[in-house]
Amino acid sequence: AQSVTQPDIHITVSEGASLELRCNYSYGATPYLFWYVQSPGQGLQLLLKYFSGDTLVQGIKGFEAEFKRSQSSFNLRKPSVHWSDAAEYFCAVGAVVEYGNKLVFGAGTILRVKS
Amino acid sequence: DGGITQSPKYLFRKEGQNVTLSCEQNLNHDAMYWYRQDPGQGLRLIYYSQIVNDFQKGDIAEGYSVSREKKESFPLTVTSAQKNPTAFYLCASITGNYGYTFGSGTRLTVV
Repeated sequence: AQSVTQPDIHITVSEGASLELRCNYSYGATPYLFWYVQSPGQGLQLLLKYFSGDTLVQGIKGFEAEFKRSQSSFNLRKPSVHWSDAAEYFCAVGAVVEYGNKLVFGAGTILRVKS
Repeated sequence: DGGITQSPKYLFRKEGQNVTLSCEQNLNHDAMYWYRQDPGQGLRLIYYSQIVNDFQKGDIAEGYSVSREKKESFPLTVTSAQKNPTAFYLCASITGNYGYTFGSGTRLTVV
């Protein structure tokens, strides 16, 4: 069965420091991979997605992610974190099911930014 | 602007009561989904529907019911059979491959 693991429940970084959020997935075929961000009490906003092609994917808000098939990973990075990046981040893998497709989510990583 | 509207934003349920969460989209998307979010567990799929008048159980469908009478609407009923309904509920829709759009959610609390 498809699954996504985000090993870090909480991460705290200083404003201006670099960020890497880890994501490992389990999926038998070529995965469709996503990163979403959620502010408290809000819905999810898509940061970036990987379907195929270049393994380094650029997203919104200065985020990027790198797909590494050999490590089953899709880590999210940002070179310089801003206070407004504090939120919860979810990695997800797209999975084909009997009647269409669905997203399987990781448990999320809460990012705190200290000034 | 096109999007997904979930209502109400906050909902309180008494023990033994059924409640219905609304989800409406004007994106002309075919597929719609309901996810449940609990702290530290990510999002789990409750029900999904690919076309009107058809829907499928997700991973945690027990205690929930849905209908899809119109393409734009996919309401979720939390029945009294759902023993732990307090959670944040998110509706989503897609067109094509995985272009998910999410609503802003409904927070349900049992009182």
